[in-house]
Amino acid sequence: DARVTQTPRHKVTEMGQEVTMRCQPILGHNTVFWYRQTMMQGLELLAYFRNRAPLDDSGMPKDRFSAEMPDATLATLKIQPSEPRDSAVYFCASGLENVDTGELFFGEGSRLTVL
Amino acid sequence: KQEVTQIPAALSVPEGENLVLNCSFTDSAIYNLQWFRQDPGKGLTSLLLIQSSQREQTSGRLNASLDKSSGRSTLYIAASQPGDSATYLCAVEDTDKLIFGTGTRLQVFP
Repeated sequence: DARVTQTPRHKVTEMGQEVTMRCQPILGHNTVFWYRQTMMQGLELLAYFRNRAPLDDSGMPKDRFSAEMPDATLATLKIQPSEPRDSAVYFCASGLENVDTGELFFGEGSRLTVL
Repeated sequence: KQEVTQIPAALSVPEGENLVLNCSFTDSAIYNLQWFRQDPGKGLTSLLLIQSSQREQTSGRLNASLDKSSGRSTLYIAASQPGDSATYLCAVEDTDKLIFGTGTRLQVFP
């Protein structure tokens, strides 16, 4: 049963701490997306990769957020330093080739609370 | 800038009713449109994908239509069941990325 796996599922941390979220895309998928979901803003695209290359990270606050794909089986989203306004659910999604030819599959999300 | 709007924001219906969820988008130059379901505390599950060249897609009791020229899509749910209770989101593909609406929260009561 192929699925996108995200860790941790829940994270509570204090303001100023570093947070790293990890995502294992479905094997064979070559596009990976990071979304953030809040009650106020809904789902916002933070960054996405194709064939491990970053294509767009314009939705991400560059001063504190960074996204990488060290290899095809791992995507990371790092926040340093974290702030209370970063509290949200962070979703990773993966797909095959162009989004316009296939579906996007989401992980169950990492719920982040920054105190 | 593409904007996606969903109405109603919330809907509560008795079991057995047929219902329609609406999605509108401001830029008709989209590649495809997807409908997703999200259960509380869970990720998104893809329900239907409509390519830009298609007018509708069906899966079981679900039927989604797409009218690019008017910037609209509808998701029709036939004979609703309590298990259909969830938030339904539509998303349009705009230059390689999905832009999401804010969702319709559906409650189907027995």
